[in-house]
Amino acid sequence: GAVVSQHPSRVICKSGTSVKIECRSLDFQATTMFWYRQFPKQSLMLMATSNEGSKATYEQGVEKDKFLINHASLTLSTLTVTSAHPEDSSFYICSAREAGGSGNTIYFGEGSWLTVV
Amino acid sequence: LAKTTQPISMDSYEGQEVNITCSHNNIATNDYITWYQQFPSQGPRFIIQGYKTKVTNEVASLFIPADRKSSTLSLPRVSLSDTAVYYCLVGEGNDYKLSFGAGTTVTVRA
Repeated sequence: GAVVSQHPSRVICKSGTSVKIECRSLDFQATTMFWYRQFPKQSLMLMATSNEGSKATYEQGVEKDKFLINHASLTLSTLTVTSAHPEDSSFYICSAREAGGSGNTIYFGEGSWLTVV
Repeated sequence: LAKTTQPISMDSYEGQEVNITCSHNNIATNDYITWYQQFPSQGPRFIIQGYKTKVTNEVASLFIPADRKSSTLSLPRVSLSDTAVYYCLVGEGNDYKLSFGAGTTVTVRA
């Protein structure tokens, strides 16, 4: 099946700094990518939907100025957590929808652990 | 978004068949039903997808009744490595934005 890769898989940053997580579709073009966060023993929570070449659509309660999403190409979306704080520590997961595919062709990345100290 | 309801947890033993039923009473005409499996610290992995009746692949079967208000994921002969959280999701046509419910934690014991 199609592969979605995230980098880094784990990152530790200091409080107040920014950190970027990349999501790449390796063997297909993704018109739409989704970003989730997941706290331990909880389900995935959708943060935002990003469409290539346009601004991301954020879910209610997600600060767009804190979680910057860029989807500059059909194979790459990035999530930047700005001015990170310990409460931003979480598991971040992206998924991608294949361009030209039916609405149900969604593939997930391996996830990225963010720890803010 | 079509809301889904699943059991919180299920226990089983190696070699048994596990059936997880998901309710989605508000499913729309053009929605598909998709099941994902998630292990700790990993992204969800696609298991199976269907629209109606029965779908079978190498790892699972998906049964969908005619009214499509529920679906049942069947895992034949589970092993310890099938211990995971299983999510049932329902899409919304072309604007397929997946929202995850609580999922079902399946624990397989020896």
